[in-house]
Amino acid sequence: EADIYQTPRYLVIGTGKKITLECSQTMGHDKMYWYQQDPGMELHLIHYSYGVNSTEKGDLSSESTVSRIRTEHFPLTLESARPSHTSQYLCASRDNFNYGYTFGSGTRLTVV
Amino acid sequence: QKEVEQNSGPLSVPEGAIASLNCTYSDRGSQSFFWYRQYSGKSPELIMFIYSNGDKEDGRFTAQLNKASQYVSLLIRDSQPSDSATYLCAGNTGFQKLVFGTGTRLLVSP
Repeated sequence: EADIYQTPRYLVIGTGKKITLECSQTMGHDKMYWYQQDPGMELHLIHYSYGVNSTEKGDLSSESTVSRIRTEHFPLTLESARPSHTSQYLCASRDNFNYGYTFGSGTRLTVV
Repeated sequence: QKEVEQNSGPLSVPEGAIASLNCTYSDRGSQSFFWYRQYSGKSPELIMFIYSNGDKEDGRFTAQLNKASQYVSLLIRDSQPSDSATYLCAGNTGFQKLVFGTGTRLLVSP
């Protein structure tokens, strides 16, 4: 059973809207990550955090922003959505012993 | 050169055969490696990890690590159609982030 939750599961919105994708985990993990993945394509790291008040940009440039005010919560925000933001967004966390990531179910975003 | 490289496939095997998935890495400092399975439209799921040279077995899955040659492999015995998915190899470079390969698509035909 997943201990990392993403909402919404699917989202269709209009161009120019502000959106926040939610990610929460109940495992007490310090490290959390956001990935972007187009269908059939590789994972791209867009943001990560090593703990409260720590956020870093990933390998892929993204117009999104993140915050980490609480250990369990790592939301991703797009201030003005565009069709180029259409993709699947995956949140992951990692335990403090550096085992593998646990991924959430993902949010499939479509901007029309 | 990507830090973690995989053949994109597809790798096609008949049901009951052994599927062999391979991955090479460039960072000799990488300490541990992970194999994820990702079904179409779903999120990646961790199936194996390996830290030491040699083999590690878990049910039908065997992970192999050769640090001298910088390769990692995943063997799936008695392949089933339900094993059809994309398999992602990831290495831990020590910077607390995993570096993922592009994945190998596996097709198991009945």
